Amino acid sequence: ETGVTQSPTHLIKTRGQQVTLRCSSQSGHNTVSWYQQALGQGPQFIFQYYREEENGRGNFPPRFSGLQFPNYSSELNVNALELDDSALYLCASSTGTVYQETQYFGPGTRLLVL
Amino acid sequence: GQQLNQSPQSMFIQEGEDVSMNCTSSSIFNTWLWYKQEPGEGPVLLIALYKAGELTSNGRLTAQFGITRKDSFLNISASIPSDVGIYFCAGHPVTSGSRLTFGEGTQLTVNP
Repeated sequence: ETGVTQSPTHLIKTRGQQVTLRCSSQSGHNTVSWYQQALGQGPQFIFQYYREEENGRGNFPPRFSGLQFPNYSSELNVNALELDDSALYLCASSTGTVYQETQYFGPGTRLLVL
Repeated sequence: GQQLNQSPQSMFIQEGEDVSMNCTSSSIFNTWLWYKQEPGEGPVLLIALYKAGELTSNGRLTAQFGITRKDSFLNISASIPSDVGIYFCAGHPVTSGSRLTFGEGTQLTVNP
């Protein structure tokens, strides 16, 4: 167990809806990164939050947005859901933003868009 | 974006056999990491490599950071049924800060 928790575990939405996924980071970690993992593929970086500010973004459209709260927990919001958004969404927490910091992953939220 | 080519895509082996998988890239990486993912779980870090040429072991697992900084391999010796899962290589390209780039994964099946 990494101490990183995510909710909900599973979610079903319809195209066009909006969704919010939540992540609680490991104690003492101030950085949260979000990844999208499509079926049969490796995780793809969405964005990273450090001390409540976005600190880097992958190749995802603006309808993917996030927040980090003072306790370092984080939310991922996706607007105008598309079928291709169906995936496992992983968050990972770490003690900082430098590459030497190990990222610890939560179990993920599986999102199905119909 | 950055691409990691991981091979093989899948492996079916007998218990007790050794396993080898590798990852290559056209770009230089600052780190190479190997993760294992089981159904319903997030990736779990197995080995982290930080220097070119570094060879690191974790029990029956051994991984190396390639001299060119563009490749890495993972070996598993004397496989057991609980080694079943998907193994991912990942790393930090020199141009990408702390964002991790993942390979496509190697699905390992171990027959008892």
